[in-house]
Amino acid sequence: DAGVTQSPTHLIKTRGQQVTLRCSPKSGHDTVSWYQQALGQGPQFIFQYYEEEERQRGNFPDRFSGHQFPNYSSELNVNALLLGDSALYLCASSLTGFFTEAFFGQGTRLTVV
Amino acid sequence: AQSVTQLGSHVSVSEGALVLLRCNYSSSVPPYLFWYVQYPNQGLQLLLKYTSAATLVKGINGFEAEFKKSETSFHLTKPSAHMSDAAEYFCAVSDRNAGNMLTFGGGTRLMVKP
Repeated sequence: DAGVTQSPTHLIKTRGQQVTLRCSPKSGHDTVSWYQQALGQGPQFIFQYYEEEERQRGNFPDRFSGHQFPNYSSELNVNALLLGDSALYLCASSLTGFFTEAFFGQGTRLTVV
Repeated sequence: AQSVTQLGSHVSVSEGALVLLRCNYSSSVPPYLFWYVQYPNQGLQLLLKYTSAATLVKGINGFEAEFKKSETSFHLTKPSAHMSDAAEYFCAVSDRNAGNMLTFGGGTRLMVKP
């Protein structure tokens, strides 16, 4: 079992561009959550997907959107990138229900210049 | 709304000394509590979790934490620090109303001196 895999591992984008990050959940998991971790801070919840729908959303603007595919993999899209979007983006997968352990990927380091 | 406060952004201990990382939470309903560890350039790994069973929770790598409702605390301890324990530690809270959404504290960087 490869666990949670994220791609790419590093990415450099220019302000105003759009970016797509990808996540494959741990085998058997049906729920994917995305977190943003700015340098020196704890992760902040962006949103969660289950059954291809956004189930919960944190305090992030509409520039942040996502998608879940029938195979449970997920994408995070960020439009109109700002310098402040530079961060480590973490994907976590879990089984739906109360409360099942969330397994995290290695993250994608996004740098906006 | 839930929140987590980790007292001390940096903690330094000598190898073999007691490790104590502090976490206080705020939650309007009975919480689930977690400690995660993050090594450089890696994701988060679950150390232990409290989900309303035993108040003293044992985790991996010799870590344990005690849930104290009266103090709204969930401090992480390890009797004897090892060099390999040097990492960033995050306390997180969730509750049954939040599904699997985690609210993290700001983290504590543990440094272990030889």
